[in-house]
Amino acid sequence: DQQVKQNSPSLSVQEGRISILNCDYTNSMFDYFLWYKKYPAEGPTFLISISSIKDKNEDGRFTVFLNKSAKHLSLHIVPSQPGDSAVYFCAAGPAGGTSYGKLTFGQGTILTVHP
Amino acid sequence: EAEVAQSPRYKITEKSQAVAFWCDPISGHATLYWYRQILGQGPELLVQFQDESVVDDSQLPKDRFSAERLKGVDSTLKIQPAELGDSAMYLCASSPRWGRRTEAFFGQGTRLTVV
Repeated sequence: DQQVKQNSPSLSVQEGRISILNCDYTNSMFDYFLWYKKYPAEGPTFLISISSIKDKNEDGRFTVFLNKSAKHLSLHIVPSQPGDSAVYFCAAGPAGGTSYGKLTFGQGTILTVHP
Repeated sequence: EAEVAQSPRYKITEKSQAVAFWCDPISGHATLYWYRQILGQGPELLVQFQDESVVDDSQLPKDRFSAERLKGVDSTLKIQPAELGDSAMYLCASSPRWGRRTEAFFGQGTRLTVV
């Protein structure tokens, strides 16, 4: 049962344009959401997060949008740069209980930004 | 900048042998996680520690996997005996607070190949 899904395995964009990465979830108990970036042979690096009480969070070139009714979130990168080329993982965390802090990850989307 | 340290970076082992991975979290981080990432998939939580106590090991294959964090600082994950299907990236992560929304900081991982 895949509770967090990234349905696009890959995305290719031109440098300077917008990259939009999408993520869907099924578990209504998820309380906060995160995006991680991962280069080959390295661990994931935290990018940006959003709480379920918000619908938008912005940090520089990165903006995350959350649509709770649709159980959908997206990451916008504007403008895209070649150094943004990596695998992007969407992750979700529960509201509480003993598993607080346990993140459930999507399968990842490979972003390629062409010069 | 503080980092999560993992060793070794790469490990090749024969089927049925024992293998161990080590992790030193960011200083002061009370929560430590071991994740496994199979190629083409997102990281999956194996075990979560709060200080020296296990708070979630529901996805840990306990017949062959064990994890400990004896003094509540560094941690060891062991596999005995290793199987071909254990080939994956093993990621350690830590986070500073318990019971709060917070991101997990990942190490560079150990790439395990079982032959």
